[in-house]
This record gives sequence, structure tokens and C-alpha cells, in this order.
Amino acid sequence: RKEVEQDPGPFNVPEGATVAFNCTYSNSASQSFFWYRQDCRKEPKLLMSVYSSGNEDGRFTAQLNRASQYISLLIRDSKLSDSATYLCVVNKDTDKLIFGTGTRLQVFP
Amino acid sequence: DGGITQSPKYLFRKEGQNVTLSCEQNLNHDAMYWYRQDPGQGLRLIYYSQIVNDFQKGDIAEGYSVSREKKESFPLTVTSAQKNPTAFYLCASKGIVRGYTFGSGTRLTVV
Repeated sequence: RKEVEQDPGPFNVPEGATVAFNCTYSNSASQSFFWYRQDCRKEPKLLMSVYSSGNEDGRFTAQLNRASQYISLLIRDSKLSDSATYLCVVNKDTDKLIFGTGTRLQVFP
Repeated sequence: DGGITQSPKYLFRKEGQNVTLSCEQNLNHDAMYWYRQDPGQGLRLIYYSQIVNDFQKGDIAEGYSVSREKKESFPLTVTSAQKNPTAFYLCASKGIVRGYTFGSGTRLTVV
């Protein structure tokens, strides 16, 4: 079983749609959780950290369910510019990150 | 503005050659990392260093070597022992305030 699992997609959605991505992780001792965005042939960039109480940043909402070891990302009112691969990232030990393989999102006009 | 610089952006290697990828940061971060990404795959940790003159193997260290003689620099050497080196290589550093910052990557191709 992979340490971090994501549906690879692609998710093809029209502009304005709401889309949700899920991620599961295997290490119950993990303490830090993130969503990164990666554009084609570019480096990953931090989209948002994920907190236990859930958190929102504009059109993006992240949720964490520790009991189920499950993380989600919700994108509302999708824009063309949201097209990218979204990486679920979980810490392992103190200073190491484990990356999921990513979920590809394509927003069409 | 501080950041991480990786060079070169593209690198071509002949089979049997060693090549060195550069990673420099001016963020004053103690921890630095090297990841490898293959198409359709997540990032996999090659080596990491939490302090100058110290480094540890990651999950896929075989065929790679690193050094950390200066805080700002963490070069990665891809040796001839690495049988499948064609990949996208990403360097990152970690600080207390900014968290993880990635360089723009080096694409290595074996020709």
C-alpha cells in the first residue's frame, strides 16, 4: 500500500464547477498535511496547509479526518487557471515529506 | 527576494558519465532536500541534509551522492551506478517561517 494515495484523475470540469479531491495516508503518526499545486513541467508550489479543524483560503477548502486518515480539497467556482496537478503531501518523521502521485484537474471553458 | 536556484535547467548525460546538479539557496534554511520525479509519479526523496556537514539517505539513494560543505549549497551527483537517471530533479529547502521552498528543477536525460 502506498503511503499517500490519490485518484490520478484526470478530472475534467467546466468553468464555475465545484470539484473535490480526496487523499488517504497510511501513517497514523503523521502531524503535518499539505496540498501542493504543480503545473506542467514546473516545481510544486504550496497551495495550503491542512489543519484539523479544516481551513479555507478563498475558493479552496481543505479538510482533515484523522480517524479515517483522509484529507480533502474542495475547489469552488473553478477557473481555467486552476488546471494543474494537485499533490497531497504528508510529513513522515520530523522533517521528511511524502508526496502522493497527484490528481490532475482540467477546467474547460 | 530569497529563493532556491537550480542549474542547469536541462542536462544531457551520456551513459557511464557522472553529472552534478547544482542547488543554491539564500533563504538561510538549515534543511535541504533532493527529490526525483518520474512521469505520472509522485516525488521520491533521494537525500536530505538537516545541517552543514551532515546528510542522510532518502528512499532511493542508490546511484546518487551529495555533499553539504556550505549552508547555501547542496549539490547532487548522479553517478554511473544509477541505471535509470532520466527524470525531473527537484531541490527543496525548509525553514521555520516559509516551510518548504522548491527550486525550478533540472531535467536530466541520458543520451
